[in-house]
Order: sequence, then structure tokens, then C-alpha cells
Amino acid sequence: ELKVEQNPLFLSMQEGKNYTIYCNYSTTSDRLYWYRQDPGKSLESLFVLLSNGAVKQEGRLMASLDTKARLSTLHITAAVHDLSATYFCAVDMEYGGATNKLIFGTGTLLAVQP
Amino acid sequence: EAQVTQNPRYLITVTGKKLTVTCSQNMNHEYMSWYRQDPGLGLRQIYYSMNVEVTDKGDVPEGYKVSRKEKRNFPLILESPSPNQTSLYFCASSLMARGNSPLHFGNGTRLTVT
Repeated sequence: ELKVEQNPLFLSMQEGKNYTIYCNYSTTSDRLYWYRQDPGKSLESLFVLLSNGAVKQEGRLMASLDTKARLSTLHITAAVHDLSATYFCAVDMEYGGATNKLIFGTGTLLAVQP
Repeated sequence: EAQVTQNPRYLITVTGKKLTVTCSQNMNHEYMSWYRQDPGLGLRQIYYSMNVEVTDKGDVPEGYKVSRKEKRNFPLILESPSPNQTSLYFCASSLMARGNSPLHFGNGTRLTVT
């Protein structure tokens, strides 16, 4: 059974600081997604990581994928309040398969304090 | 505007009263899916559809039905709702069943079953 674990589950950080959210998964997969959810809102796609060693960056967020370690990281640089949200990773469990069957992590609630 | 539209946004009902949550996308996406989001459990897939007239069970299909008679619509049907189906529901779509495209989510439907 594929398990996707994120840590930490809750992260309170000060503006200007750096931090990393980790996403571990338990079986082979070749694609991983990061989503952001603001309180009471829908999920918004941040990154699609499709291969080992993939790195994507957008503003203060950078995501990477290590398929051998079954680990993805979401790194936050010089956090600002606007980044406060819940971040989910989602792993495609159909390795080499034909369907977009995602297993989501439980999410990391990020609160950036002034 | 490209979007996934769910209705209603909020729904309170009683046990056993059949209900339907509608989902429509205007992006000509092949793939559509329903998720439920519960605290501490992340998002769990209920049903998905790879194309018109093709649907399959996700991880938590019990108590739900779906249909995909048209490409744009993917309603979620609860024939006899129970309190354990109280949850936040999201419909999502993507261009293809598998590929580089992430899921696009609707705004969610908060369902309460008393």
C-alpha cells in the first residue's frame, strides 16, 4: 500500500527565514505533484516533478524529487506572509501505468509570522 | 475562464436523502476525479473517469456513485447519505489520464449529513 508522509504537519516560521517541507513515499513512483491550499479555498497546482533529480522553482519556492530515496522536498526561501497556506504533495502510484491515480499526503500547514 | 465548477458550495442534508453534487469543466479535459478531504487524512480519491462512459473506483468509493455521460460533466451521487459522509468534496480534472498536466480543482462542496 502506498503511503505518503509529509513532515512537519505544522510549521510556524518567521518572515525572512528558510525552511524545508519533506514528502516521503513508500513505493516506486515516477511523478510527484505539489499543491497549495489557502484556508477555505481549493487546491492550486504548484509543481509537477517527472523524473529523478527534477528541480522546479517559482518565486520563493523550490521543489525537488529524488526517486531513489522516494523523497521530495519543498524549500521555502525568505518566507513572506503570503506563503501561509497548507501544502500537499501527491504521488502518482501508477508507476509506468496509464492512470492519474494520486495519493495525497496529509498536508503541511505553514504559518508565516511577521 | 478555464475552470472546474462544482455546485452547491454548501449542502446540509439528512441521513438517507439522495443528493447529487454537480461538477463541470470547460477545458475539454479527458480525466475527471472526485476527492473527499477530511482533517488529518488529506485528500482521498472516491471515483475517477478517464473519458466519457469510463469510470472506476478510487480508494473510498463506498456509498457513492458517479456517471460520465458527457465529457464536461461528472456528477457525484450519494444515494443514501450517512453522517460519515460529512466532508469537504473536490472535483478535479486534467487534460489526460496521465501526462504532465496537473489536476485542476473545483472550489469544493462542504457537505453535512445529520
